[in-house]
Amino acid sequence: EVQLVQSGAEVKKPGESLKISCKGSGYSFTSHWIAWVRQMPGKGLEWMGIIYPGDSDTRYSPSFQGQVTISADKSITTAYLQWSSLKASDTAMYYCATYGSGTYSGLDYWGQGTLVTVSS
Amino acid sequence: EIVLTQSPGTLSLSPGERATLSCRASQRVSSSYLAWFQQKPGQAPRLLIYGVSSRATGIPDRFSGSGSGTDFTLTISRLEPEDFAVYYCQQYGSSPDTFGQGTKVEIK
Repeated sequence: EVQLVQSGAEVKKPGESLKISCKGSGYSFTSHWIAWVRQMPGKGLEWMGIIYPGDSDTRYSPSFQGQVTISADKSITTAYLQWSSLKASDTAMYYCATYGSGTYSGLDYWGQGTLVTVSS
Repeated sequence: EIVLTQSPGTLSLSPGERATLSCRASQRVSSSYLAWFQQKPGQAPRLLIYGVSSRATGIPDRFSGSGSGTDFTLTISRLEPEDFAVYYCQQYGSSPDTFGQGTKVEIK
């Protein structure tokens, strides 16, 4: 069974750093792109970027380039999303999701989400 | 980047009725890289349709997708109580991938 299990909710202060995780299991972790998606409170979905764990090829949306870092450790089948200096506007639910392997496959498996709250 | 505009913003319908949701792209969507997701409160999104018209695993056949180029449609043939939710389209053929702003299907 394919599973993406994300790390737990975080409460941080502005300026603090943070790294959240997404552990994949039940599939070939190195062969599927993993995406990170932001959902601010009461708002829609925003695609942040993707990583290919096999070779760590990473691509960012221009809206998030330089604001976050996406990485992966294939030895422990885990992808990460990190911030060096959080802002209140980073308060959101963050989802990881994986693209399937077939032609035109979409984001077919999702993590449960990690709620990040940034408040002084 | 490709901007996806969904309409209407909210659709008020009764169970058993047909729902037609629209997704319009600012540029042609590459090949057939257009997907639809359903999201219920407190849950992660769920893939319904990929490749414009292919249903994801376990998705009932009352859900169907169609379209090409810049205009795409998700149709729910007969709304069941569990279908009332927010629906998003996504294009994943041109980087960066982008989502529409969502259509809420609510009970009339």
